[in-house]
Amino acid sequence: AQKVTQAQTEISVVEKEDVTLDCVYETRDTTYYLFWYKQPPSGELVFLIRRNSFDEQNEISGRYSWNFQKSTSSFNFTITASQVVDSAVYFCALKKTASKLTFGTGTRLQVTL
Amino acid sequence: EAGVAQSPRYKIIEKRQSVAFWCNPISGHATLYWYQQILGQGPKLLIQFQNNGVVDDSQLPKDRFSAERLKGVDSTLKIQPAKLEDSAVYLCASSPRQTNTGELFFGEGSRLTVL
Repeated sequence: AQKVTQAQTEISVVEKEDVTLDCVYETRDTTYYLFWYKQPPSGELVFLIRRNSFDEQNEISGRYSWNFQKSTSSFNFTITASQVVDSAVYFCALKKTASKLTFGTGTRLQVTL
Repeated sequence: EAGVAQSPRYKIIEKRQSVAFWCNPISGHATLYWYQQILGQGPKLLIQFQNNGVVDDSQLPKDRFSAERLKGVDSTLKIQPAKLEDSAVYLCASSPRQTNTGELFFGEGSRLTVL
């Protein structure tokens, strides 16, 4: 069975602060994919990133960065210099080859002025 | 490029009534998904279509839920009869590739309230 845990239900930060969203996963497979999706108030989930289990290189995209550590089964997401537009619910997800996406319960991020 | 279209955006019904949701995926996307998202939870896959065939409906409550994608393009999800616990947002998503890579394009969802 596979499972994704996002222990942080809600985080509130002031604009320009850095914030890290935690994601811990469980799977017995050696080949799998990890994802982050953003769900703004409008409702649609927006794909942010996909990582496969063989690529532990950290990735940076503008103000976003991701830290994948197989040793701790974690795939954390950091937003640097947060902005009000970053306010959303963020979901971490796990997928084995030829199986469905398993989402975590999400972390609601509130960025205030 | 137009995104995934869903309607209606909101629906309020009483328990035991029926409801239908419609989804039009991004043009050319072979795979279509229906997800159920209960408040405070992550999306849960109800059914996945590849063209007009069902790939996975293991989590679809088949006694009350049905879905079809007759011409391999748009899709309809029906609930009959609805229960209180069906209150949720129903998200439609599509992906362009034959293989499910997990990169999905979602619509804005249809929010169902069952009273």
